[in-house]
Amino acid sequence: ETGVTQTPRHLVMGMTNKKSLKCEQHLGHNAMYWYKQSAKKPLELMFVYNFKEQTENNSVPSRFSPECPNSSHLFLHLHTLQPEDSALYLCASSQDQGKYFGAGTRLSVL
Amino acid sequence: KQEVTQIPAALSVPEGENLVLNCSFTDSAIYNLQWFRQDPGKGLTSLLLIQSSQREQTSGRLNASLDKSSGRSTLYIAASQPGDSATYLCAVRVTGNQFYFGTGTSLTVIP
Repeated sequence: ETGVTQTPRHLVMGMTNKKSLKCEQHLGHNAMYWYKQSAKKPLELMFVYNFKEQTENNSVPSRFSPECPNSSHLFLHLHTLQPEDSALYLCASSQDQGKYFGAGTRLSVL
Repeated sequence: KQEVTQIPAALSVPEGENLVLNCSFTDSAIYNLQWFRQDPGKGLTSLLLIQSSQREQTSGRLNASLDKSSGRSTLYIAASQPGDSATYLCAVRVTGNQFYFGTGTSLTVIP
């Protein structure tokens, strides 16, 4: 148990659906992140939030919309996704030390 | 821009062997370096964190070293076990919340 919880663990959605991924951290960290991990590719940083403010958006398509209502919760809202968006989506948090990851949401877009 | 490289990309060893995984980075101005383990389809589990002022960290059968001046870190695994089979990633933290990840080494320990 890393202290970072992601739900759901698995998600299958059609291209016209709207869904949300949720991340919650119980570590008191002030920074939270969304990463995308596709098969045989390195981790891709998507968004960074620091004290609830978005500090980085790594040229992510607008069909991915993050939301950070407080420093413990992070959402990734999904709409009109493409099959190539199928991947493992990882949430992480950090403070002054290292980074801690959730178990991920395995997303399949049909 | 910081670049992190891990060699080899894949490694297969018989059970019981000691092994070394390598991580190199291009810019020595780092805050810390972290080693992670990732099982297939799962999230990343933090193994060891080395601050820039430290030379090594140990946890059980794992020992990580850091040589900032040469831009290198190694993860030493003693007496490898089949349960050690996973992908191992290193990440360096530079300014603020910027982290750079390597592409990982896929380890298979053969019983």
